[in-house]
Amino acid sequence: AQSVTQLDSHVSVSEGTPVLLRCNYSSSYSPSLFWYVQHPNKGLQLLLKYTSAATLVKGINGFEAEFKKSETSFHLTKPSAHMSDAAEYFCVVSPRSNDYKLSFGAGTTVTVRA
Amino acid sequence: SQTIHQWPATLVQPVGSPLSLECTVEGTSNPNLYWYRQAAGRGLQLLFYSVGIGQISSEVPQNLSASRPQDRQFILSSKKLLLSDSGFYLCALNGQGSEQYFGPGTRLTVT
Repeated sequence: AQSVTQLDSHVSVSEGTPVLLRCNYSSSYSPSLFWYVQHPNKGLQLLLKYTSAATLVKGINGFEAEFKKSETSFHLTKPSAHMSDAAEYFCVVSPRSNDYKLSFGAGTTVTVRA
Repeated sequence: SQTIHQWPATLVQPVGSPLSLECTVEGTSNPNLYWYRQAAGRGLQLLFYSVGIGQISSEVPQNLSASRPQDRQFILSSKKLLLSDSGFYLCALNGQGSEQYFGPGTRLTVT
């Protein structure tokens, strides 16, 4: 069984300041982990993925995430928020067995203040 | 690169009317295809997935059905819509690993 918990339903930051979105997971298998972003009325876009290579994963648009097995966490960060980062973010887990079932977190809405 | 098309982009239908949403993909062959629904204030719910032509697995009992008449075409249907069918419908396909790539979505409002 697998599940994902996004610890914050809403995060508000000022433009130019760091962004931190927290995600904890549980999985019976060695998981693959992903972060997706969704802008209003758009599909989900893959930001980055962890699949057992380097624990620090770099993604698009300056985002990165660190896999910490001991803490079962996969937090997403960006050093400097941009107005275009305002969106909803989903942490997602999949068992390494390439099962079709992705487990989605409830999402974190990011607001960026000018 | 692979591309996912969804049609229509938005749809307003009365209760009891039929539904047909189409998803077509380009740039890949024999993909696994998925239908998700995202209702207001709720997360993504997997509705159906397909590993090949004519092969459909249902995840949630409901008045929706899916079909895959061609390798790169996935259709979501209903004979009679309910108010609870309103939502944002997303088609997705699998990547090289277990990641999925999503289409632009269809916004369905049942009135």
